[in-house]
Amino acid sequence: DAGVTQSPTHLIKTRGQQVTLRCSPKSGHDTVSWYQQALGQGPQFIFQYYEEEERQRGNFPDRFSGHQFPNYSSELNVNALLLGDSALYLCASSSRTGYGYTFGSGTRLTVV
Amino acid sequence: KNEVEQSPQNLTAQEGEFITINCSYSVGISALHWLQQHPGGGIVSLFMLSSGKKKHGRLIATINIQEKHSSLHITASHPRDSAVYICAAWGTSGSRLTFGEGTQLTVNP
Repeated sequence: DAGVTQSPTHLIKTRGQQVTLRCSPKSGHDTVSWYQQALGQGPQFIFQYYEEEERQRGNFPDRFSGHQFPNYSSELNVNALLLGDSALYLCASSSRTGYGYTFGSGTRLTVV
Repeated sequence: KNEVEQSPQNLTAQEGEFITINCSYSVGISALHWLQQHPGGGIVSLFMLSSGKKKHGRLIATINIQEKHSSLHITASHPRDSAVYICAAWGTSGSRLTFGEGTQLTVNP
């Protein structure tokens, strides 16, 4: 049974570019949450998707957007990249009640 | 003040020592997670608990809801336990995790 799968694992982008990160949830999970983890800090909540809609959002600008597909997979899009967007982006899936919260291995984004 | 605070930030131990990491939270929670993150990023969920105590191998997690405090204990520590340990609160008002800053544990042989 595959867990949460994220792609790509590493990515280097130039300031001002746009990036799309992808997440496939664990089988049986329908809720996907995205987190940003800067070096040496705990993860910060970006947003959560359930039933193809954004249900909750953390304190992130509109440059950060997402999408959830009918198969529950999700994308995180970041526009107009800044150097400060360099971080590990983690995806986590769960049931709607939070049961079985499972993290992916993350995508390491470097903005140069 | 962060809603979830951990101590210590850094911890160095000798192999075999008993280790305790503490977590305090200021928000109402329905559950608290203990997570382990190795270099490279991947996060593994160790425990999710809402009351009492859970044990898995050499790991023990306890929570005191009244005092809003949880502890993670590692018995007979081993160098492979070296990682960042993070506590995260699952709030009653929503369905997202609020994370502590993490504790960097290094166990020397």
